Amino acid sequence: KQEVTQIPAALSVPEGENLVLNCSFTDSAIYNLQWFRQDPGKGLTSLLLIQSSQREQTSGRLNASLDKSSGRSTLYIAASQPGDSATYLCAVGDSGYALNFGKGTSLLVTP
Amino acid sequence: GAGVSQSPSNKVTEKGKDVELRCDPISGHTALYWYRQSLGQGLEFLIYFQGNSAPDKSGLPSDRFSAERTGGSVSTLTIQRTQQEDSAVYLCASSLGPSGRAGGGELFFGEGSRLTVL
Repeated sequence: KQEVTQIPAALSVPEGENLVLNCSFTDSAIYNLQWFRQDPGKGLTSLLLIQSSQREQTSGRLNASLDKSSGRSTLYIAASQPGDSATYLCAVGDSGYALNFGKGTSLLVTP
Repeated sequence: GAGVSQSPSNKVTEKGKDVELRCDPISGHTALYWYRQSLGQGLEFLIYFQGNSAPDKSGLPSDRFSAERTGGSVSTLTIQRTQQEDSAVYLCASSLGPSGRAGGGELFFGEGSRLTVL
């Protein structure tokens, strides 16, 4: 059974810092990996989708990389802002139709 | 609609009552998912619908839970004889095709239905 782990569980950084969120998965035979953002009391918003044939995806200040062989993905956030404060979740698609989610990293960016 | 719509946004019920949660996916999305998010827990997959195919019910926690999708669009999740452990946020999501498969598309979520069982 696929296990998705996100470290750290919580992170606090001052505004302007570049930061990296980590996601690891136990079964490297995945089809894709997605990063989501969740604000308190809200649903999830898709940030980046990486297919298994891709190594990275970029959107604005966000860059996500995928290393299937090592079972790892990182989400890089450049020049963090208070508005980036949220919980970030990664999810992998493998043998089933549904995505397997990690428990998320709660990010706080302080002014 | 522009996004995935869920109703009600909040539901408080008494233990033993039945509840129905509704999801209206993005128009044209053939894949529809229900997930459950409990406090401090990750997202738990419940059920998956793809077009007119038989749903994947492998994530439903008990036979008190059921779901249907009418006309390949709106879906209803029903919980019978609710228990306190059913309290959670129930999230619906849709995508153009199976999100977890090769070439799978982005998954779009609704705002969720928060269920509280007293």
